[in-house]
Amino acid sequence: GAVVSQHPSRVICKSGTSVKIECRSLDFQATTMFWYRQFPKQSLMLMATSNEGSKATYEQGVEKDKFLINHASLTLSTLTVTSAHPEDSSFYICSARMSEYMNTEAFFGQGTRLTVV
Amino acid sequence: AQKVTQAQTEISVVEKEDVTLDCVYETRDTTYYLFWYKQPPSGELVFLIRRNSFDEQNEISGRYSWNFQKSTSSFNFTITASQVVDSAVYFCALRAPYNFNKFYFGSGTKLNVKP
Repeated sequence: GAVVSQHPSRVICKSGTSVKIECRSLDFQATTMFWYRQFPKQSLMLMATSNEGSKATYEQGVEKDKFLINHASLTLSTLTVTSAHPEDSSFYICSARMSEYMNTEAFFGQGTRLTVV
Repeated sequence: AQKVTQAQTEISVVEKEDVTLDCVYETRDTTYYLFWYKQPPSGELVFLIRRNSFDEQNEISGRYSWNFQKSTSSFNFTITASQVVDSAVYFCALRAPYNFNKFYFGSGTKLNVKP
């Protein structure tokens, strides 16, 4: 099946620094990728939709200047958490879908656990 | 409004027991899709099943079975003869056809299968 890979799987950073998380579709082209955030023992909440070649669409309440999304190619989207603070510590997970127009599955990456100290 | 409710926060069973995870959803759409995902401790989401709202047939896949009841807006998941490897958090999710972006996830049910 289709594979979505996230890197890194775990990252610890100091408060005030920026962290970049990569999401790659390994064996298919993804015009659209999605970024979710999951707080401990809670569900996944969609943060933004990443569109190849255009600006990301952010969900209400998500700071676009805080969470920078770049979808530079059909196989790569990056999420940069800028000036990270301890409250940004969370599990971030991306997903990608093969086609914009078909009802295909969204495959999820393995997630990135961010800890800001 | 779309909403998925998984009332069971955590369930513990002993290996070989059967267990049912409940999922109740709310939507005004006539066409929608329901999903179950498994999240093992490693964190990734593993796709288990997708069900179209027009297909109310129950499905069985090995030890897994799903009971879709439109009349009660439920999409329950049963694991027969549970195994320790089934221990994970299970998420039920709803997705509308006009918005392929958005999954509405339930809060998840943590299943602990003890040997």
